[in-house]
Amino acid sequence: GQQVMQIPQYQHVQEGEDFTTYCNSSTTLSNIQWYKQRPGGHPVFLIQLVKSGEVKKQKRLTFQFGEAKKNSSLHITATQTTDVGTYFCAASGTYKYIFGTGTRLKVLA
Amino acid sequence: DVKVTQSSRYLVKRTGEKVFLECVQDMDHENMFWYRQDPGLGLRLIYFSYDVKMKEKGDIPEGYSVSREKKERFSLILESASTNQTSMYLCASSFRGGEGGQYFGPGTRLTVT
Repeated sequence: GQQVMQIPQYQHVQEGEDFTTYCNSSTTLSNIQWYKQRPGGHPVFLIQLVKSGEVKKQKRLTFQFGEAKKNSSLHITATQTTDVGTYFCAASGTYKYIFGTGTRLKVLA
Repeated sequence: DVKVTQSSRYLVKRTGEKVFLECVQDMDHENMFWYRQDPGLGLRLIYFSYDVKMKEKGDIPEGYSVSREKKERFSLILESASTNQTSMYLCASSFRGGEGGQYFGPGTRLTVT
């Protein structure tokens, strides 16, 4: 079945450093979504990417969808302590999404 | 604002008890989902529903059942709770095509002793 791998599993960065998490699928995706879960909270939808090679920005966050639509990345520029949490990608299937295992980001002040 | 509510934030049950977890959404979403979240395993789909009275098994349906009698309400049932069902349970809803993402409830932390 469809698998979604997310790396790294954990990342500790100094405040102000950049951060990137990668999501790789074993199959071609129709679209991919990204979520953020703060410690003790629930996942919150960030963005959906649909087109091959698509790049979208939200302030310091940059999301990319690979040309082959089999991978995606989330890049945070100049991390802040408010960026702490776990970032999940979710790959589309019929009606449902398959979530990656997440990347837990810790930002050291 | 989309709101997804779950009946309890914390629940403690004994092995063998029947457990009901309720989820209600107020956005007229067609799709509803139940996930469990465990450290290191991410979010795993238990069951989902794309319409009233419709249900589909997710990746880990064993030991669970669901009910969707009304569009806004999706219930997860543990017929006979076991200790390996101790987990965080998250409900979510979305439009049929998934546009706009899934909206999650606050979660229910279930402990089975």
